Amino acid sequence: SQQGEEDPQALSIQEGENATMNCSYKTSINNLQWYRQNSGRGLVHLILIRSNEREKHSGRLRVTLDTSKKSSSLLITASRAADTASYFCASQGGSEKLVFGKGTKLTVNP
Amino acid sequence: DVKVTQSSRYLVKRTGEKVFLECVQDMDHENMFWYRQDPGLGLRLIYFSYDVKMKEKGDIPEGYSVSREKKERFSLILESASTNQTSMYLCASSSSGTGWSDTQYFGPGTRLTVL
Repeated sequence: SQQGEEDPQALSIQEGENATMNCSYKTSINNLQWYRQNSGRGLVHLILIRSNEREKHSGRLRVTLDTSKKSSSLLITASRAADTASYFCASQGGSEKLVFGKGTKLTVNP
Repeated sequence: DVKVTQSSRYLVKRTGEKVFLECVQDMDHENMFWYRQDPGLGLRLIYFSYDVKMKEKGDIPEGYSVSREKKERFSLILESASTNQTSMYLCASSSSGTGWSDTQYFGPGTRLTVL
């Protein structure tokens, strides 16, 4: 399987805390993307980081990429109950396809 | 606003039935995708299409076929539904114009139950 892996599979934190999710992938990439999925819904794109970038920010999101380790992390700062969702990384190589990981289920308790 | 729609949110079918799942996008995207999502397995690509009448197998095409007669519409067909095809099906689309930095836009999903 070419699927990546997220770590941890599930994460439960209190509102205001930071949440960190990690992702590993298997092949060389052009970019790595993070998506969010609310329960029972479709995925929504959050952020894309290119293979020549090491860090990227968007609002309360911070993504890092280490191509030598084939890994990425997503940090959500000052989490809110509304951040409760599943988060997926997806790697893109030299084609239209994305390879998704299995996701991290984040619960933010009020 | 970007929009991908799927014909049904919930669908219940019987074993052996032919099932059509429809996906429509209004963004003039070249690429369209069908995934299935199962607990603990994440998203797995069934088929994708990069142009009208073009299709390519994904990671798990067995038991499925697809049709793309118009740019905006991509159909997933279960020729003879089986219980192991009970799953959430997600459609997505993306543009080819960004040099392999293709954000995918997803529909809301169809939860299919095969009895």
